[in-house]
Amino acid sequence: QQPVQSPQAVILREGEDAVINCSSSKALYSVHWYRQKHGEAPVFLMILLKGGEQKGHEKISASFNEKKQQSSLYLTASQLSYSGTYFCGTGYNAGNMLTFGGGTRLMVKP
Amino acid sequence: NAGVTQTPKFRILKIGQSMTLQCTQDMNHNYMYWYRQDPGMGLKLIYYSVGAGITDKGEVPNGYNVSRSTTEDFPLRLELAAPSQTSVYFCASSYGAEAFFGQGTRLTVV
Repeated sequence: QQPVQSPQAVILREGEDAVINCSSSKALYSVHWYRQKHGEAPVFLMILLKGGEQKGHEKISASFNEKKQQSSLYLTASQLSYSGTYFCGTGYNAGNMLTFGGGTRLMVKP
Repeated sequence: NAGVTQTPKFRILKIGQSMTLQCTQDMNHNYMYWYRQDPGMGLKLIYYSVGAGITDKGEVPNGYNVSRSTTEDFPLRLELAAPSQTSVYFCASSYGAEAFFGQGTRLTVV
């Protein structure tokens, strides 16, 4: 079953922070985050495995709440280059098969 | 290092026609995938392969077929094209957590 992402869209000013959530109704093994710019292919940001580990990538970090079957992506001090659509992909076992959420459209304005 | 290469980039098909979308990767990855992305939506898995000679259905396999005779190539065959198959098709490959996507094929069925 497809994970649910929220919000569906968010508009920020440069320097503002944002949080994107990804929730699953099934027990998660892993959560993968990707960013896709308009007309381009998705690009991998990070993976989180069950265990609640938090990861970071520049000013973008993420957490995994195993009890809530939820992951959150944190974007701090947003830059114009952060604009795009963010997708979470959820894995339910140690295999590489992912089910992607519907995406969160992020627009950062000057 | 080319990564994942998809051809063609654009194609218009008439209803009932058939075609093959080509996908080649030069990273020696065992896992390969085909996704479709409808406008404003997330990625849906069509088929995947865990190695040469092994393929399996994803979420939306109807109307498509695949083969994996080599590690490098994973073509997607559309038989009897229908307007519902109008979409952007992404091929991806992975070894570990990170999936690498091709630039996509934009297919329109009229």
